[in-house]
Amino acid sequence: AQSVTQLGSHVSVSEGALVLLRCNYSSSVPPYLFWYVQYPNQGLQLLLKYTSAATLVKGINGFEAEFKKSETSFHLTKPSAHMSDAAEYFCAVSGGNAGNMLTFGGGTRLMVKP
Amino acid sequence: DTEVTQTPKHLVMGMTNKKSLKCEQHMGHRAMYWYKQKAKKPPELMFVYSYEKLSINESVPSRFSPECPNSSLLNLHLHALQPEDSALYLCASSRSWTGGYSEQYFGPGTRLTVT
Repeated sequence: AQSVTQLGSHVSVSEGALVLLRCNYSSSVPPYLFWYVQYPNQGLQLLLKYTSAATLVKGINGFEAEFKKSETSFHLTKPSAHMSDAAEYFCAVSGGNAGNMLTFGGGTRLMVKP
Repeated sequence: DTEVTQTPKHLVMGMTNKKSLKCEQHMGHRAMYWYKQKAKKPPELMFVYSYEKLSINESVPSRFSPECPNSSLLNLHLHALQPEDSALYLCASSRSWTGGYSEQYFGPGTRLTVT
């Protein structure tokens, strides 16, 4: 079985500060990992994905994530937060017998202070 | 074009009504999904269609009835819903159902309120 834990249901940063959203996964097979962002009353938008090609993955809107197998982590970072980054962020895992079924973490709400 | 469209955007229905949600994609994807999302929670998978056949039903009550008329369209028929069914209903699609590496593209959702 696969699982995802997002540490911190709420994260608050100042505009211009580093954004770090934590994601740890559990998987018995090599995982595929995804970060999605959800703005209020909208669907989920794919930020980036890890599919074993490169451990440092660059996504849209200046976000990137690093796959660390030894730590079973896939943390999301952005060097400088913008007000427009305020949203809900979901980490998800798929793969193995689960096929394309996504197992989501509980989500982290990012708040950006002016 | 990586767009998944959903109609309607908002829906209010009584417990005795019958209504349908519609989802469409033109990316040539062969897997389509329905999710239910409650406030402040991640999406919960309801159904998966692969090559227009129902592959996964996550023990969803029969008052929800999915339909995949063709490879681009996915419907969710609603009948005799309960107030606790009020939620955001999301549709998604991906190139395939197997493998695990195909990212899912989500539509904007239908906000359903059952009165």
